[in-house]
Amino acid sequence: ETGVTQSPTHLIKTRGQQVTLRCSSQSGHNTVSWYQQALGQGPQFIFQYYREEENGRGNFPPRFSGLQFPNYSSELNVNALELDDSALYLCASSVNQGGGYEQYFGPGTRLTVT
Amino acid sequence: AQRVTQPEKLLSVFKGAPVELKCNYSYSGSPELFWYVQYSRQRLQLLLRHISRESIKGFTADLNKGETSFHLKKPFAQEEDSAMYYCALRGGGFKTIFGAGTRLFVKA
Repeated sequence: ETGVTQSPTHLIKTRGQQVTLRCSSQSGHNTVSWYQQALGQGPQFIFQYYREEENGRGNFPPRFSGLQFPNYSSELNVNALELDDSALYLCASSVNQGGGYEQYFGPGTRLTVT
Repeated sequence: AQRVTQPEKLLSVFKGAPVELKCNYSYSGSPELFWYVQYSRQRLQLLLRHISRESIKGFTADLNKGETSFHLKKPFAQEEDSAMYYCALRGGGFKTIFGAGTRLFVKA
């Protein structure tokens, strides 16, 4: 069973640029969530995709967008980067189970905006 | 508003001492509560969830709806318990809210 993978590991971008982060879900998982984790903070929910549709969103502006593909891999796109977008971006895949809900996290992508 | 509060950023205890990591939440309905752990150089992983009522690695957590708390406890801390611990809430939908985390340091 393959775990959740993310690419790239690190990324440096300039303010105003656009970035795409990628996530491969754990085998058999049809749901992926994206989180932003600023330094010293807990993960903050960005949005969730289920079977290629966005089914929930946190308090993030529209310049944060995503996609989920038929193989359940996912992308997070951020346009017009701002300095405050510098953070660790985590994706987590999951599948609803009878006993509850468990998310499996990837290692994250560290984004630095200069 | 949904909120998770972990009042301690850092908790330091001696090996063999009891440990309690505090978590308080704000939610109007019946939430699902979780504890996640991140060991050094590892990814975030689920430690336990309240609906399972299980003990993992000697840790337990009881949901107290009256006090809106979900404190994580272990009677005898071990050095390998040193990690970052996050309390999280999922309230009847897709969104999981995390606390800011508590770093546990177990001294030899």
